[in-house]
Amino acid sequence: NAGVMQNPRHLVRRRGQEARLRCSPMKGHSHVYWYRQLPEEGLKFMVYLQKENIIDESGMPKERFSAEFPKEGPSILRIQQVVRGDSAAYFCASSPVTIGLSADTQYFGPGTRLTVL
Amino acid sequence: SQKIEQNSEALNIQEGKTATLTCNYTNYSPAYLQWYRQDPGRGPVFLLLIRENEKEKRKERLKVTFDTTLKQSLFHITASQPADSATYLCALVTGTASKLTFGTGTRLQVTL
Repeated sequence: NAGVMQNPRHLVRRRGQEARLRCSPMKGHSHVYWYRQLPEEGLKFMVYLQKENIIDESGMPKERFSAEFPKEGPSILRIQQVVRGDSAAYFCASSPVTIGLSADTQYFGPGTRLTVL
Repeated sequence: SQKIEQNSEALNIQEGKTATLTCNYTNYSPAYLQWYRQDPGRGPVFLLLIRENEKEKRKERLKVTFDTTLKQSLFHITASQPADSATYLCALVTGTASKLTFGTGTRLQVTL
């Protein structure tokens, strides 16, 4: 019973390049969340998606960041034209239901550590 | 402004003692509150959930209390062990929102 999977685990990019982070939720989970953890800071919500829909993107920077969760395949967090300030750990989580409606937890993946040179 | 505060300083305790971690929040009305454990280089792992109408929850050596009047949750680990050393995060869910809002975490170090 595999947990949430993220890849790559570590990603190094030069300024101006694109970063693509992938997340495969737990089997049976159709809700995906992305969080960012900057060094010495707490986890910050970025975006919540269900299959083919963005439900809440209130934590996403307005520019350069986008997320998708297609009908088939993993969820993708895409960062265009990366800058040094994007260096952080990016965590994906999944849940079987909408946690706001039913007290449920989110299951986190191991994270992708992005380093921008 | 909204804030979730956890003791930013590390908590050092001796093996066998009870560790108590604090989570205070302001300008939130959480439907429920969760506690997670995070080890270095890893994702958070869910530990306990407590609803707004619950005062206390237990699971093995763990206990969580939730006081909506004080706007505070306490997280206790009894008979602590070196393996309990980690960062502990509290997180709130408000209304029907589907996101977790995390505190900055408290690092616990249990020594022999």
